[in-house]
Amino acid sequence: NAGVTQTPKFQVLKTGQSMTLQCAQDMNHNSMYWYRQDPGMGLRLIYYSASEGTTDKGEVPNGYNVSRLNKREFSLRLESAAPSQTSVYFCASSVGRAQYFGPGTRLLVL
Amino acid sequence: RKEVEQDPGPFNVPEGATVAFNCTYSNSASQSFFWYRQDCRKEPKLLMSVYSSGNEDGRFTAQLNRASQYISLLIRDSKLSDSATYLCVVNKEDNFNKFYFGSGTKLNVKP
Repeated sequence: NAGVTQTPKFQVLKTGQSMTLQCAQDMNHNSMYWYRQDPGMGLRLIYYSASEGTTDKGEVPNGYNVSRLNKREFSLRLESAAPSQTSVYFCASSVGRAQYFGPGTRLLVL
Repeated sequence: RKEVEQDPGPFNVPEGATVAFNCTYSNSASQSFFWYRQDCRKEPKLLMSVYSSGNEDGRFTAQLNRASQYISLLIRDSKLSDSATYLCVVNKEDNFNKFYFGSGTKLNVKP
């Protein structure tokens, strides 16, 4: 099993550009999450999806949209990237209270 | 005030030492508690859950003190491979899909 996979691994954007971060899990988990990690801030929840067809805002949702395409896939979209969105983005899925993370996407917005 | 606070460290200890980290949480409604380990430029991985009665997994012992709102992680007989950042995570009773992460405590184990 691959677990949680994310693409791309790295991305450089210019301010105002858009992009979609992809995430997929093969563990048949119902819940999926998107986090961002910034130095000194810890991981902060952007959006989560408790089940296929549902999504909810987390702590820092502004500037992002999500789609739970099916049980396996949960994508994060930046419609108009800003330098403040430079970060490492982690996708996770969970069973019970334990979360399993993807390897992350490093995003630089110039 | 942050939901979860940790001493960022770094804690620099020799191999074989015992080291302990604390983490405080602000919301008494917090229900579930975890320690995750994160290696440099890698994803977090679950180390252990923290139960009310305390629990042990090999060289690692986790404790919960609800009255003082803190959890602790004790590592005995430190190994070089224990060098990492340790993240404290809490989960509230009102929404088990929302997890709050501390910013982590960095541990360096030296030969």
